[in-house]
Amino acid sequence: DGGITQSPKYLFRKEGQNVTLSCEQNLNHDAMYWYRQDPGQGLRLIYYSQIVNDFQKGDIAEGYSVSREKKESFPLTVTSAQKNPTAFYLCASRPSVDGYNSPLHFGNGTRLTVT
Amino acid sequence: GDSVTQMEGPVTLSEEAFLTINCTYTATGYPSLFWYVQYPGEGLQLLLKATKADDKGSNKGFEATYRKETTSFHLEKGSVQVSDSAVYFCALSDNFGGTSGSRLTFGEGTQLTVNP
Repeated sequence: DGGITQSPKYLFRKEGQNVTLSCEQNLNHDAMYWYRQDPGQGLRLIYYSQIVNDFQKGDIAEGYSVSREKKESFPLTVTSAQKNPTAFYLCASRPSVDGYNSPLHFGNGTRLTVT
Repeated sequence: GDSVTQMEGPVTLSEEAFLTINCTYTATGYPSLFWYVQYPGEGLQLLLKATKADDKGSNKGFEATYRKETTSFHLEKGSVQVSDSAVYFCALSDNFGGTSGSRLTFGEGTQLTVNP
């Protein structure tokens, strides 16, 4: 079955370390997204990419970086510059052909804890 | 900018009760509207959507109607079950110019608990 795989499900890091979260999709979707979820704050957009080798900052991009070298993959790096990195991170994708009418498909998330 | 406002939670109901979760939005273009559901420890799943005014989205007994005049997209279900306990998110995707149409804006989510 097609879908979005995020790994690992739980991730623990020490403060000051960079960490990369994996996101892979086999849905042949063009656009991919990273959201951060904190309790009581809904989802906030970190970065998104509509095509390979191109990406745009979302609303809370500071302290994060991404790459889009392959259509299937959109890894997110949480750098030491991110002040409050502990959160639940969600990756999503959608086809571009229907544009804004298409819903997002989500992975099951990675819970990052930084101490 | 675009925004979505959901009714404050949490919402607690007894099984077979009627459910309404309010959602209103502001958008610069002609958005598509979505409801997503999130079960504990999981990602979001699409529940239903509507792409133009007066459209009704429906799935698994849930319904929502796109009301342009009141900028609303309220979620309803006639008889909830314990298995409906989850967090529900209202979202919009706007087609106004440039790359903004490729983004979804989410409400803060409403926690629903259904007791037997």
